Amino acid sequence: GIQVEQSPPDLILQEGANSTLRCNFSDSVNNLQWFHQNPWGQLINLFYIPSGTKQNGRLSATTVATERYSLLYISSSQTTDSGVYFCAVGNAGGTSYGKLTFGQGTILTVHP
Amino acid sequence: KAGVTQTPRYLIKTRGQQVTLSCSPISGHRSVSWYQQTPGQGLQFLFEYFSETQRNKGNFPGRFSGRQFSNSRSEMNVSTLELGDSALYLCASSRGTGGAFFGQGTRLTVV
Repeated sequence: GIQVEQSPPDLILQEGANSTLRCNFSDSVNNLQWFHQNPWGQLINLFYIPSGTKQNGRLSATTVATERYSLLYISSSQTTDSGVYFCAVGNAGGTSYGKLTFGQGTILTVHP
Repeated sequence: KAGVTQTPRYLIKTRGQQVTLSCSPISGHRSVSWYQQTPGQGLQFLFEYFSETQRNKGNFPGRFSGRQFSNSRSEMNVSTLELGDSALYLCASSRGTGGAFFGQGTRLTVV
């Protein structure tokens, strides 16, 4: 199956700093999502980005499908950005319509 | 539009018992998937249902089963609970494009 590798595993920042999280995947995909897991465990959708670039406020993401990687950018980080960020990939269609394979996550800690 | 609803939020069960978890997807979403999250194994795919049919299954023992009803609501069942089944169980719904949306999860503790 598809392998998903996220880096770095841990990231510690001061408030106001910028950061880049990376997601590498081992096979072609037509579904890629970034999530932020809140302290209660819920996965919050950040981006659905199988290809291209999207921006939402201080967050943006870029997926280069041909090179099998995606990047999540966080600018001017805030303490509320702390938590675990997951990249998940899949191939919608055929028999794998909704299956997502997750990376191990990046634990982000933002200090005031 | 209501999000994905999972019930119950928390459960404590004894080894050997069985448990049933419920998931109501976003209105109009016909695909429901289940995931198990543990500190050691991360987030792992359990199974996926679409129009009441299981379309995909992860690498879990037969003690883990599920079903989907005609209104797209889904249940998963774990029989003969083991301590290692303690985990956060997450349900996601999808309409095919636009990605999957997750519920708040059910935290199961087996004692």
